[in-house]
Amino acid sequence: KNQVEQSPQSLIILEGKNCTLQCNYTVSPFSNLRWYKQDTGRGPVSLTIMTFSENTKSNGRYTATLDADTKQSSLHITASQLSDSASYICVVRAKSSGDKLTFGTGTRLAVRP
Amino acid sequence: DAGITQSPRHKVTETGTPVTLRCHQTENHRYMYWYRQDPGHGLRLIHYSYGVKDTDKGEVSDGYSVSRSKTEDFLLTLESATSSQTSVYFCAHREGEIGELFFGEGSRLTVL
Repeated sequence: KNQVEQSPQSLIILEGKNCTLQCNYTVSPFSNLRWYKQDTGRGPVSLTIMTFSENTKSNGRYTATLDADTKQSSLHITASQLSDSASYICVVRAKSSGDKLTFGTGTRLAVRP
Repeated sequence: DAGITQSPRHKVTETGTPVTLRCHQTENHRYMYWYRQDPGHGLRLIHYSYGVKDTDKGEVSDGYSVSRSKTEDFLLTLESATSSQTSVYFCAHREGEIGELFFGEGSRLTVL
């Protein structure tokens, strides 16, 4: 069964600090992996999409890594800001899966002043 | 801005009543999706559409139906709402070869 596991479930950090969120998946065969940011009461917004051949991708202070061999991804947030407080969702698409994606349950990040 | 408008944004209804949620887009996207989001679960696909009158089931389609009579509107209907359908519902469209998803703001449905 295709699964996406995220850790930690929740995280509290101080403003200005860095943090790393983890995503492990069992989806096969792999097509791409996405990270979404979801603010409270809003819809998810795409941060990055990584294909098999990409092992690092950045979007401002967000850097995603992908190890397709170990089926792991991480999202690193640098110099956190209060506006980074949100849920971060890892999503994996399998080849030939049509429109069916496997979503993780997310990591809830709180950035405190 | 994903270019998607969901309505209503909030609704409270009683068990057994019909409910229709509307997803409206103005950018002529072909692929549209309805997801539900519940605590402890990742987003789960209910139904999707790949064109006018072309729809298919997702992983949690029981108790739901959809219609797409024109490109801009994708309707999700709960024929007889149950408390287990209390959830936040998201509409999304897909862009590009890689299939990036763009979500609406969500519709929070409470079934009493």
